[in-house]
Amino acid sequence: GIQVEQSPPDLILQEGANSTLRCNFSDSVNNLQWFHQNPWGQLINLFYIPSGTKQNGRLSATTVATERYSLLYISSSQTTDSGVYFCAVPQTSGSRLTFGEGTQLTVNP
Amino acid sequence: SAVISQKPSRDICQRGTSLTIQCQVDSQVTMMFWYRQQPGQSLTLIATANQGSEATYESGFVIDKFPISRPNLTFSTLTVSNMSPEDSSIYLCSVRTGAEGAQHFGDGTRLSIL
Repeated sequence: GIQVEQSPPDLILQEGANSTLRCNFSDSVNNLQWFHQNPWGQLINLFYIPSGTKQNGRLSATTVATERYSLLYISSSQTTDSGVYFCAVPQTSGSRLTFGEGTQLTVNP
Repeated sequence: SAVISQKPSRDICQRGTSLTIQCQVDSQVTMMFWYRQQPGQSLTLIATANQGSEATYESGFVIDKFPISRPNLTFSTLTVSNMSPEDSSIYLCSVRTGAEGAQHFGDGTRLSIL
């Protein structure tokens, strides 16, 4: 099946800094999702982004499907951005998601 | 996107007992998914719950340990049976909705077994 790798595994920032998280996948996919898991365990949808670029406030994501990677950009980070960021892709069209191992982000005040 | 309600949000259970987790969606969905997240780990799919047929289990998960019900298109339950400390995890319900088919998750059930 499709393998998903995320980097870096851990990231520590000072409030106000920018960051880029990366997600590589081993085969063609028809969609990709980014999630944020907050410290209470809630998994929040950030982006559904099979290709191209999307922006939502301080966050944006770009997927280059032909090169099998996606990037999540966080600008002007805040302490509330702390948590684990996961990317996930489906194994086959419309099927269940396979998750990467996540990036643990800590934003210090 | 769908509103997904999970109950209970957390529980502490004794080993050897069973717990049933409920997942309610505010709209009809074809497929519902149950995931497990062990401490410090990523999410792993347990099974896909299909209405009108038996659930489809992933490798390493069996029906006797994780029986699933799907009585209608808005509701599903997952039971964690004969629990041991290794079952301490967050269990999450998920559905696919909308034209894009994006997946959305409930808030999860944080389960601790003593």
